[in-house]
Amino acid sequence: GAGVSQSPRYKVTKRGQDVTLRCDPISSHATLYWYQQALGQGPEFLTYFNYEAQPDKSGLPSDRFSAERPEGSISTLTIQRTEQRDSAMYRCASSPRLATNNEQFFGPGTRLTVL
Amino acid sequence: AQTVTQSQPEMSVQEAETVTLSCTYDTSESDYYLFWYKQPPSRQMILVIRQEAYKQQNATENRFSVNFQKAAKSFSLKISDSQLGDAAMYFCAYRSTYLTGTASKLTFGTGTRLQVTL
Repeated sequence: GAGVSQSPRYKVTKRGQDVTLRCDPISSHATLYWYQQALGQGPEFLTYFNYEAQPDKSGLPSDRFSAERPEGSISTLTIQRTEQRDSAMYRCASSPRLATNNEQFFGPGTRLTVL
Repeated sequence: AQTVTQSQPEMSVQEAETVTLSCTYDTSESDYYLFWYKQPPSRQMILVIRQEAYKQQNATENRFSVNFQKAAKSFSLKISDSQLGDAAMYFCAYRSTYLTGTASKLTFGTGTRLQVTL
């Protein structure tokens, strides 16, 4: 695609429900990142994928958070048993390959509100 | 771990004037990348400018330039001839040159909200 897309753009859920957020990276981009951005803060790293491999999950705040990228393209971020503190903007970014001189292209984000 | 600090929560500039946004960072690494991202009201994240630490020359992109002081671990953004469209949240970010673990992630500051007035 022309850019990184994310869906849904907005999600309102009740505490205790599970939610799944989707990221569709730029076609052929090998590397995909997930960030969480709380209101008034900068984005914070959650996890990343290199193709379908997930080398690091250390940024995930708890075991309620998980991410997948089974075929090395589209990725999902799932939050189980949501809590109010999970309310944030969730951003996905992709990069052509795992190289630190590569730009990360960000999607529009999914704003999650947990009531 | 690396940290990025933006000590100016808000800044204001008149149209056509120049403004400088501050950023400091802490790292033990000798080589790394620094970035400024713009987040307009649309909430997109747009790369404004990038600096490679091993390059002594300050990066410039049209009206945007940086003042990179490696010894002081300072990385400020200068916006010249400010325009109404420059109004946004600006984030400073750090990235290691190492690829192991979470090294390829971006570490962001808390942002500076820039207002542009007529």
